[in-house]
Amino acid sequence: DAGVIQSPRHEVTEMGQEVTLRCKPISGHDYLFWYRQTMMRGLELLIYFNNNVPIDDSGMPEDRFSAKMPNASFSTLKIQPSEPRDSAVYFCASSFSGNEQYFGPGTRLTVT
Amino acid sequence: DAKTTQPNSMESNEEEPVHLPCNHSTISGTDYIHWYRQLPSQGPEYVIHGLTSNVNNRMASLAIAEDRKSSTLILHRATLRDAAVYYCIPFLGGSQGNLIFGKGTKLSVKP
Repeated sequence: DAGVIQSPRHEVTEMGQEVTLRCKPISGHDYLFWYRQTMMRGLELLIYFNNNVPIDDSGMPEDRFSAKMPNASFSTLKIQPSEPRDSAVYFCASSFSGNEQYFGPGTRLTVT
Repeated sequence: DAKTTQPNSMESNEEEPVHLPCNHSTISGTDYIHWYRQLPSQGPEYVIHGLTSNVNNRMASLAIAEDRKSSTLILHRATLRDAAVYYCIPFLGGSQGNLIFGKGTKLSVKP
């Protein structure tokens, strides 16, 4: 298995632009998680899905952030409009039955 | 959520055993103890988990205190590739979903 796939690996954008991060979970996994990591706040959960349904989005910072999972093999995290404080590494992870999580390589987002 | 306490950093020599401690005195009776690690510039990686008994896998061993208020992750022979931040996370699993990552222990391995 290829593991969790994220794209792009690096994204540089200007403040105010829309950013879309993509994730392909491991086949057969029924949970998908989006995390954000910064030096100041560490690794924090943004939202997670079970069987494509959002379960807990209490970690989403504000309405500028949205996440979708249209099918079992694809999820997106969108930031619109982006701000410099959104600069971080965004990780996607998946698991089977909510047990050990497998993380992707992350997307490093820089908003200038 | 159970609070965990881990040393900020530890050092080890290559090919020597490493014992990484974690205190989780407020852990609930049903939470498993999970360990993850994060190598530089990579996503976190699952290492091991257990409930009450000591556990072994190809990566490490997990020793859990009888009262479950602490645990120790044991790397039997540290390699340079084991240099990472190690996170101890009480976690119910299943539909309870989310891992809560603390600051972890940064392990340095000297050749």
